[in-house]
Amino acid sequence: DTEVTQTPKHLVMGMTNKKSLKCEQHMGHRAMYWYKQKAKKPPELMFVYSYEKLSINESVPSRFSPECPNSSLLNLHLHALQPEDSALYLCASSSRTLGNTQYFGPGTRLTVL
Amino acid sequence: GIQVEQSPPDLILQEGANSTLRCNFSDSVNNLQWFHQNPWGQLINLFYIPSGTKQNGRLSATTVATERYSLLYISSSQTTDSGVYFCAVGKSNYQLIWGAGTKLIIKP
Repeated sequence: DTEVTQTPKHLVMGMTNKKSLKCEQHMGHRAMYWYKQKAKKPPELMFVYSYEKLSINESVPSRFSPECPNSSLLNLHLHALQPEDSALYLCASSSRTLGNTQYFGPGTRLTVL
Repeated sequence: GIQVEQSPPDLILQEGANSTLRCNFSDSVNNLQWFHQNPWGQLINLFYIPSGTKQNGRLSATTVATERYSLLYISSSQTTDSGVYFCAVGKSNYQLIWGAGTKLIIKP
């Protein structure tokens, strides 16, 4: 199984809402990532978890809160977002034994009203 | 930090044509990956290629690490090859620096 799954596919939320994005992989990868991608731009790294510990936080605002409950799951909790946070949110995973080749999920298209 | 430049920014070809996409980077790296993002947003890893040459079907890639560039070759293009091709490089295990991408349109 070489698949990373993400739910939901689409999400519309108001600025006062709290929502969560979910990501799951069953490839045994021990690194998982959250990226944000705006239209016509490359993905921007937000967070990296390595062995379920937060390894990299690219100075992301606290309204984004990552969580890694176990080695297969990665969540991104959203609270009090701004309209400029509307984007495609991508999850990825990788394994050192594969040169940290990153495998991406299909993404969640988030719209903040 | 490392700079990554991809060329050309846009490419329009007829089905069946061949193409070469280039990625230049400004410093030595130990990680280089090529990705294809289809029009629906799905990113697919094409190659992990910090050096050397690899082939996968109609696609091949070559990285000349000493000269700090990588090339992605697409032969006999199909409409499903359309999308954006990204090159991403890195020195660390996890952090990749992404190029701006090459947008490829294959016309039937």
